[in-house]
Amino acid sequence: DAKTTQPNSMESNEEEPVHLPCNHSTISGTDYIHWYRQLPSQGPEYVIHGLTSNVNNRMASLAIAEDRKSSTLILHRATLRDAAVYYCILRDWGAQKLVFGQGTRLTINP
Amino acid sequence: GAVVSQHPSWVICKSGTSVKIECRSLDFQATTMFWYRQFPKQSLMLMATSNEGSKATYEQGVEKDKFLINHASLTLSTLTVTSAHPEDSSFYICSARLTGAEKLFFGSGTQLSVL
Repeated sequence: DAKTTQPNSMESNEEEPVHLPCNHSTISGTDYIHWYRQLPSQGPEYVIHGLTSNVNNRMASLAIAEDRKSSTLILHRATLRDAAVYYCILRDWGAQKLVFGQGTRLTINP
Repeated sequence: GAVVSQHPSWVICKSGTSVKIECRSLDFQATTMFWYRQFPKQSLMLMATSNEGSKATYEQGVEKDKFLINHASLTLSTLTVTSAHPEDSSFYICSARLTGAEKLFFGSGTQLSVL
């Protein structure tokens, strides 16, 4: 499985945008970029995924670098409920499984 | 949206007993389900991939005789922790993929405590 690198922790303020980086320099052409988040004592929750183009949904935006070796999850206006561990994961289209890395623990200050 | 129900939410058992955890896809058919475990302050560790009607594929280092997985229908997979010991105490999480879709849906997890 191709590896991702994320900062261990980040901190932001409520109602401000948050940019969560992810490096994946060994990404292959068939790897999808996934983001999930996990709140305390809960199962992970899907946030967004993409392959080559930037993606937007109601939760977040995913900005993918042109060379695909990095990506950024953007929360446009953070709320206290966005405090969670965010996981950036690569999944080869031919593989079924998702293998989680260490993730980024996001703290939102009121 | 698609929902994955996991039961029980928590269980306490005595050492040496077996515990069964159920994972159901409530409004979709899941040909593939996954089982993870998570220790405090750590990330999720994939234990096995479960395909309906066939034997589960276990990750390296996961004992298949210890963690029995059954995926008898398109909406139900079970994980049985056999002869549980205190070191098996962990947060167990299942997930399912809607056939043909990219994203995974996760259950809410089961906290297992073995005394």
